[in-house]
Amino acid sequence: KQEVTQIPAALSVPEGENLVLNCSFTDSAIYNLQWFRQDPGKGLTSLLLIQSSQREQTSGRLNASLDKSSGRSTLYIAASQPGDSATYLCAVLPSNDYKLSFGAGTTVTVRA
Amino acid sequence: EADIYQTPRYLVIGTGKKITLECSQTMGHDKMYWYQQDPGMELHLIHYSYGVNSTEKGDLSSESTVSRIRTEHFPLTLESARPSHTSQYLCASTAGGPSYRFNNEQFFGPGTRLTVL
Repeated sequence: KQEVTQIPAALSVPEGENLVLNCSFTDSAIYNLQWFRQDPGKGLTSLLLIQSSQREQTSGRLNASLDKSSGRSTLYIAASQPGDSATYLCAVLPSNDYKLSFGAGTTVTVRA
Repeated sequence: EADIYQTPRYLVIGTGKKITLECSQTMGHDKMYWYQQDPGMELHLIHYSYGVNSTEKGDLSSESTVSRIRTEHFPLTLESARPSHTSQYLCASTAGGPSYRFNNEQFFGPGTRLTVL
């Protein structure tokens, strides 16, 4: 059974600092890995999706890397802003199914 | 970008009532999912469907039921609501197939926050 772990569980940084969020998974037989953002009481917003054959994806200030062999992905957010405060979840899609396995998330607070 | 709609957004009802949470998507996605999430807690998959007339229970046992009569519609029903059903319910769908740039990217609706008194 795929286990997805996100460390740290919570993170507080001053505005302008770069954010580094970690995600690890136990089974490397994945189809893709997706990073989501969730604001309190809201649904999830898809940020980036990395296919298993890719090493990284970028969108604006966000960059996600994937090392499938070691079971790790990292989400980098450059020059953080208070509006980046949210919970960030990673999820992996196995290569033989259509159900995502989610991590518990990292809750980020960016202090003005 | 997928458009997924959930209604109602907020629902407060009394114990024993029958309720249906609506979920619809406009992109023709064949795969749809229901998740349950308590405040500050992890997501749990409670139901999923890979196509019309196909539904399966998820990893978390739930007293709710679902149906998939049309591709775009995936309602969730509670026959008799109880306070233990108080939670947020999130609907999602997945794009797939060669016509999409990001195969199997999952998109979420805004959620329904249910409170059973």
